[in-house]
Amino acid sequence: DSGVTQTPKHLITATGQRVTLRCSPRSGDLSVYWYQQSLDQGLQFLIQYYNGEERAKGNILERFSAQQFPDLHSELNLSSLELGDSALYFCASSVSSGNIQYFGAGTRLSVL
Amino acid sequence: GDSVTQMEGPVTLSEEAFLTINCTYTATGYPSLFWYVQYPGEGLQLLLKATKADDKGSNKGFEATYRKETTSFHLEKGSVQVSDSAVYFCALLRAGNTPLVFGKGTRLSVIA
Repeated sequence: DSGVTQTPKHLITATGQRVTLRCSPRSGDLSVYWYQQSLDQGLQFLIQYYNGEERAKGNILERFSAQQFPDLHSELNLSSLELGDSALYFCASSVSSGNIQYFGAGTRLSVL
Repeated sequence: GDSVTQMEGPVTLSEEAFLTINCTYTATGYPSLFWYVQYPGEGLQLLLKATKADDKGSNKGFEATYRKETTSFHLEKGSVQVSDSAVYFCALLRAGNTPLVFGKGTRLSVIA
């Protein structure tokens, strides 16, 4: 158990809908990262937060947004969903930038 | 930009065979290097790491040595088991607000 908790484990929804994925980092970790894992693109970095502030942005679509709350949990919001958004979404946390990242078990999103 | 190249899978081995999964990287500076493992239906787990040249990371019988001269971090295990069947990801991390950069992953299947 990495100590990083992601909910829900599975999410099935329809095109055009909006969903929210939740991540609780390991105790003491201030940085949260979101990654997308798809068959064709592999593991892609989406966005990083550190102590509530956005720190780095990767290949995140404009339809996607995230935030980190004062209790350090993070949410990834995906809107206007398309079939191609079906993927595994991982959250990772670390003490700070540049440190080892520990991953949650992921949320599997299926857009039908 | 930074990149990681892994040997393409799938790799199929018999139990007790020797395993090598090649990984090379391109990065500015001196990144830390990691191997993560993803067992079926699970998230990514950190397998081992090395933070500077000539460091050897090891865990659960797996080893990898940080070779700066060849920009490589090959994963090896002397005798694989069926339980080692998983997808293995090589990754690098530079200091600062940079995300992990992953290779595409190598699927290993070990048959009894």
